[in-house]
Amino acid sequence: DVKVTQSSRYLVKRTGEKVFLECVQDMDHENMFWYRQDPGLGLRLIYFSYDVKMKEKGDIPEGYSVSREKKERFSLILESASTNQTSMYLCASSFSGARSYNSPLHFGNGTRLTVT
Amino acid sequence: QKEVEQNSGPLSVPEGAIASLNCTYSDRGSQSFFWYRQYSGKSPELIMFIYSNGDKEDGRFTAQLNKASQYVSLLIRDSQPSDSATYLCAVNGAGTALIFGKGTTLSVSS
Repeated sequence: DVKVTQSSRYLVKRTGEKVFLECVQDMDHENMFWYRQDPGLGLRLIYFSYDVKMKEKGDIPEGYSVSREKKERFSLILESASTNQTSMYLCASSFSGARSYNSPLHFGNGTRLTVT
Repeated sequence: QKEVEQNSGPLSVPEGAIASLNCTYSDRGSQSFFWYRQYSGKSPELIMFIYSNGDKEDGRFTAQLNKASQYVSLLIRDSQPSDSATYLCAVNGAGTALIFGKGTTLSVSS
C-alpha cells in the first residue's frame, strides 16, 4: 500500500512565522502535490512537482514555496504565515509513466494549520 | 479555466437505496476521471477511476462516463449509513495534476 506521511496532524503558528510542512511518500512516485482544502472552496492545488528539484505552480501559489531535494520528500513553505492561510493542507503523490493520466493520487492524512 | 462541477448537496437517501452522484467537466481533452470519498476530518480516498465511455463496476459502486456530454457519475447501490461522506469528482488537468470538484455530501439514513 502507498503510504504518504505528513509530519504534523495539527499545527498552530503565529502570523509572520515561517512554516514548513513536510511530506514523505514510500512508493517511489515521481509526482507529488500540495493542495489546501477549505469549506465551500474544495481542494485547490498550490504546487506540484514531477521530479526532483522540479516544481510547477498550481492554481494558488501566492504566499507559498516548495522544495523537492529528494524524490520521496516534498516540502511546502509558508514564508510569512498569514491568517488567511489557516486551512487543511493535503499532500499527495502519484505514479508517472506511459499512462500516467490514469494514475490516481494517494493522499496523506492532512495537516490542519491554524495561523493566529 | 478548467472546471469540474458537482452539486454540493446534501443528497439524502434511505438505507438500501441507490445514490446517484453527478459531475460535469469543462475540458473536452480530459482523459481520466476519478471518484474519491472523504469522511469528515479525513483525507480523500480513491473509490474508482474510469477513462472509457460507458460503465465500470466495482462492488456496490458503478462509475459512468459520457465524454460527448462531458458528464461522469457515480452510483452507489444498496447504500449504507457508512457511505455517508463527501464524494469528490476529479479530472486530470494540466500535466499530471488533478482538478477536483467541490464535492457532494451524501447522507444515508438508517
